Amino acid sequence: EAQVTQNPRYLITVTGKKLTVTCSQNMNHEYMSWYRQDPGLGLRQIYYSMNVEVTDKGDVPEGYKVSRKEKRNFPLILESPSPNQTSLYFCASSPNRDTAYGYTFGSGTRLTVV
Amino acid sequence: DAKTTQPNSMESNEEEPVHLPCNHSTISGTDYIHWYRQLPSQGPEYVIHGLTSNVNNRMASLAIAEDRKSSTLILHRATLRDAAVYYCILSALYRGSGYALNFGKGTSLLVTP
Repeated sequence: EAQVTQNPRYLITVTGKKLTVTCSQNMNHEYMSWYRQDPGLGLRQIYYSMNVEVTDKGDVPEGYKVSRKEKRNFPLILESPSPNQTSLYFCASSPNRDTAYGYTFGSGTRLTVV
Repeated sequence: DAKTTQPNSMESNEEEPVHLPCNHSTISGTDYIHWYRQLPSQGPEYVIHGLTSNVNNRMASLAIAEDRKSSTLILHRATLRDAAVYYCILSALYRGSGYALNFGKGTSLLVTP
């Protein structure tokens, strides 16, 4: 089944403790991205990647890092999480950056930073 | 960035057609019109997209106005599982090298038995 898989689904952590949220897709998609969803603010893009070793900032990149060493994986790294990064995170992928294609989203990771 | 305007909420009876409107008067010639929906506690789900012509797929139909300033997502027979927030989105370019889907507030669709 074609899908985007995120792990973990839920995570509670303490301020400053580094964490990684994994994202993997099995569709050989070139384009991957991370979004966060907050009440009243909707979904906002954090980072995106057009292909292996090609990443760039989205709307809200502060406090996040990403890497794209393999085509299928696009982990989101929080080096020093803070409470304002408590949010619902979604990973998404698309065949390429061409706007003619739709995204496939993962099921989400609910992160709480205390 | 071109913006979209959708009603905050709509209600439909089960097994009736639903027409979800979207206005995008500042759309550019290269913007695709995308529709996604988000069911409770799930990630957004692609529904349909189009550029100029009407589009049909197994989930829905997309009717695009001739001037492209508005579009309508049509669910032919609403089911309870169609209750979700529906987002009408115009593709956006980031510095010419990538793009983001600009999710707005969407339309919350309530389907009643």
